[in-house]
Amino acid sequence: KAGVTQTPRYLIKTRGQQVTLSCSPISGHRSVSWYQQTPGQGLQFLFEYFSETQRNKGNFPGRFSGRQFSNSRSEMNVSTLELGDSALYLCASSPRDRSTDTQYFGPGTRLTVL
Amino acid sequence: GQQVMQIPQYQHVQEGEDFTTYCNSSTTLSNIQWYKQRPGGHPVFLIQLVKSGEVKKQKRLTFQFGEAKKNSSLHITATQTTDVGTYFCAGKGQNFVFGPGTRLSVLP
Repeated sequence: KAGVTQTPRYLIKTRGQQVTLSCSPISGHRSVSWYQQTPGQGLQFLFEYFSETQRNKGNFPGRFSGRQFSNSRSEMNVSTLELGDSALYLCASSPRDRSTDTQYFGPGTRLTVL
Repeated sequence: GQQVMQIPQYQHVQEGEDFTTYCNSSTTLSNIQWYKQRPGGHPVFLIQLVKSGEVKKQKRLTFQFGEAKKNSSLHITATQTTDVGTYFCAGKGQNFVFGPGTRLSVLP
């Protein structure tokens, strides 16, 4: 099976702009989670989507939003970018069935806000 | 809210030495997962522990889940340069909470 893919891989934006990141999960996986990774804060959970519904949400401001489509692909959007939003954004998919909720991470999108 | 801590933050070892990282949660966990992230890479799933007191081995890696399901450890025997990376534990509560990671350096 193909792994989790994320596009774009790198992105440079300026403060105040908005950005949309895309994630395609492993075929058959219905759960997609998003994480923000920074050197200072580590891996921070943003939100999880399962069957097009947001299941859990981390402690991030409303500028961070996401959605999931019927084919399980997911997008996350960050509006009114701030310098502190510079980070590696990781998407992880999971089958979320009874046997396992192992998360499979994509390569990430490196966002730089100038 | 749920907090997951890991110690040490950094560990430098000589190749062939053993390495251990410890993970502690502020709350009881339903399960715990371990991930490895190589420099410049993304986290890769290593193992999941579910039962109290569970011990699992993967070649030179030994994983333990505490009796109270609030702590866990990862032990690597005879480290190799391929073990370099950051090891994260992730505790399952309502969602996964990742520890800050332990960065392992292995000197040849």
